[in-house]
Amino acid sequence: GNSVTQMEGPVTLSEEAFLTINCTYTATGYPSLFWYVQYPGEGLQLLLKATKADDKGSNKGFEATYRKETTSFHLEKGSVQVSDSAVYFCALTQRGGTYKYIFGTGTRLKVLA
Amino acid sequence: DTGVSQDPRHKITKRGQNVTFRCDPISEHNRLYWYRQTLGQGPEFLTYFQNEAQLEKSRLLSDRFSAERPKGSFSTLEIQRTEQGDSAMYLCASSFYRVENTEAFFGQGTRLTVV
Repeated sequence: GNSVTQMEGPVTLSEEAFLTINCTYTATGYPSLFWYVQYPGEGLQLLLKATKADDKGSNKGFEATYRKETTSFHLEKGSVQVSDSAVYFCALTQRGGTYKYIFGTGTRLKVLA
Repeated sequence: DTGVSQDPRHKITKRGQNVTFRCDPISEHNRLYWYRQTLGQGPEFLTYFQNEAQLEKSRLLSDRFSAERPKGSFSTLEIQRTEQGDSAMYLCASSFYRVENTEAFFGQGTRLTVV
């Protein structure tokens, strides 16, 4: 079945450091891929998405590229801020049917000033 | 419209009691999803509705769980005879589907603690 694997956290970085959070997936066909972010005490917010191979999603300085050949959707940011501290979830949906989300286990990011 | 809202935000209940949660989706969204999130895990799909029809239920949804979406608007999730293993965050999400599905918007969740 479909699944998403994320690198385990927590990830601790200093402010202005480069961030990579790895995400790989297993799915049939051509899923859509997402990164959601969950700040403390809040719900999930869509960070970025990509719906087909080689698409790059970007938002708030974060980027991720849909790589079908490596079944990956790694999240990157060139310079993190303390305000980026949160839990990041990689997810996929399969086109057609329910469009239910399959989530990874989440990666906690802590950015130190 | 301020997004998906869930009520209550927190619920503490004794084992064996029944609880009911409510979700109000974004008004024009015709799809509504329930997920459960336990500590340190990603959300897991429970069930979804398209308008008022419940079209899929996960194996995670035991007979003690029931969900409704009367008139295709708000939805309720009821858990009967709660168990400690039901303690989790229950998330509601909505989306709009016509030819393709928009991304899902999530509520802030209802945190259930069964003591």
